[in-house]
Amino acid sequence: EVQLVESGGGLVQPGRSLRLSCEVSGFTFEDYAMHWVRQAPGKGLEWVSSITWNSGSIIYADSVKGRFTISRDNAKKSLYLQMNSLRVEDTALYYCARAKGSTYYYYMDVWGKGTTVTVSS
Amino acid sequence: QSVLTQPPSESGTPGQRVTISCSGSSSNIGSKTVNWYQQLPGTAPKLLIYSNNYRPSGVPDRFSGSKSGTSASLAISGLQSEDEADYHCSAWDDSLNGYVFGTGTKVTVL
Repeated sequence: EVQLVESGGGLVQPGRSLRLSCEVSGFTFEDYAMHWVRQAPGKGLEWVSSITWNSGSIIYADSVKGRFTISRDNAKKSLYLQMNSLRVEDTALYYCARAKGSTYYYYMDVWGKGTTVTVSS
Repeated sequence: QSVLTQPPSESGTPGQRVTISCSGSSSNIGSKTVNWYQQLPGTAPKLLIYSNNYRPSGVPDRFSGSKSGTSASLAISGLQSEDEADYHCSAWDDSLNGYVFGTGTKVTVL
């Protein structure tokens, strides 16, 4: 069974940092690109960042560019999101999602259950 | 902010047909394929339709997708109580160089 399990969320003050992780199982992780998508309370989905299968290409939404860093460790079957200089508007449920193929142009076909990030003083 | 526009809500009685629209532009829907996600209350999104009109294994055939120009639609025929959920459209955007999502539509079964 394909599974994606996010962790690392929590309550953090504005300006601080947080690192999210997404551990996968049930498929060959290194064959797929991966995405991070977030959903603010009561709002729609917002794409955050994507990374190709070999970390060769990485892209970010303008709202997080320069503050967030996506990375992956294929040996550990894990995806990460380092979030620095956090803002109140970064408060959301963060999902990791698998791309249907090795590049991030592919749509998200499997999603984790998400981890909650709350930025508040 | 969402780049793709959806109606905030749609509703129908059991057995009816409901259609959800998703409006975009030439940089996304107009030139790329559209995907739809179903999000049941309190759960993660689930892929419902990919590449405009294909259903993943296990998705009932009463769900169908279509695209014309810079707009797309999701139709639910034979509406059932378990279809009550939020529905999100999505597409790659060449101008933004990333994925964009719709504003989301809440479907209520009366």
